[in-house]
Amino acid sequence: QKEVEQDPGPLSVPEGAIVSLNCTYSNSAFQYFMWYRQYSRKGPELLMYTYSSGNKEDGRFTAQVDKSSKYISLFIRDSQPSDSATYLCAMIYHDGNQFYFGTGTSLTVIP
Amino acid sequence: DGGITQSPKYLFRKEGQNVTLSCEQNLNHDAMYWYRQDPGQGLRLIYYSQIVNDFQKGDIAEGYSVSREKKESFPLTVTSAQKNPTAFYLCASSIDGRGYQPQHFGDGTRLSIL
Repeated sequence: QKEVEQDPGPLSVPEGAIVSLNCTYSNSAFQYFMWYRQYSRKGPELLMYTYSSGNKEDGRFTAQVDKSSKYISLFIRDSQPSDSATYLCAMIYHDGNQFYFGTGTSLTVIP
Repeated sequence: DGGITQSPKYLFRKEGQNVTLSCEQNLNHDAMYWYRQDPGQGLRLIYYSQIVNDFQKGDIAEGYSVSREKKESFPLTVTSAQKNPTAFYLCASSIDGRGYQPQHFGDGTRLSIL
């Protein structure tokens, strides 16, 4: 079983839709959770960074962590064509030195 | 502008040849990382370094080598022993390599076999 599971998609939504992206994980020791956005032929850029359980909001983006279910989500409100990219989740133990990445979900927002 | 610079953007390797991918950062970060990204497999860690003159193997270090002689630089050599080198290579850095510091990435080098 992989440490981190992420549905690869592809996911296609109309402009203005609410998008929900998800990852599940197997190890309850993960403490820090990140979402990255990766455009084609570019490196991942950090979108959201959360610690332990709860929600964090930044503009149109909300990151949610449910440690009891070992489940994290990224919500995108009022999605735009510029949100079309691959979204990667990542996580790490408190005293870890290695990040564990999901395989990424490909999102297309159709104008 | 602070960031991570990877070069070249595209690289071609002949059979039996070693090639070196460059990674430079001006973020004053202590920790640096090399990942390989293949379709459907996500990011796999090749090597990482948390301090100058020290580095550790990641999950897929075979066929690769690194050096960390300067804080700003962490070059990756893909040796002829790496039989399937075609991939997108990403360099990353973080402040000090501790778990609660997120990683920041360069824009990658795409390596192909001639």
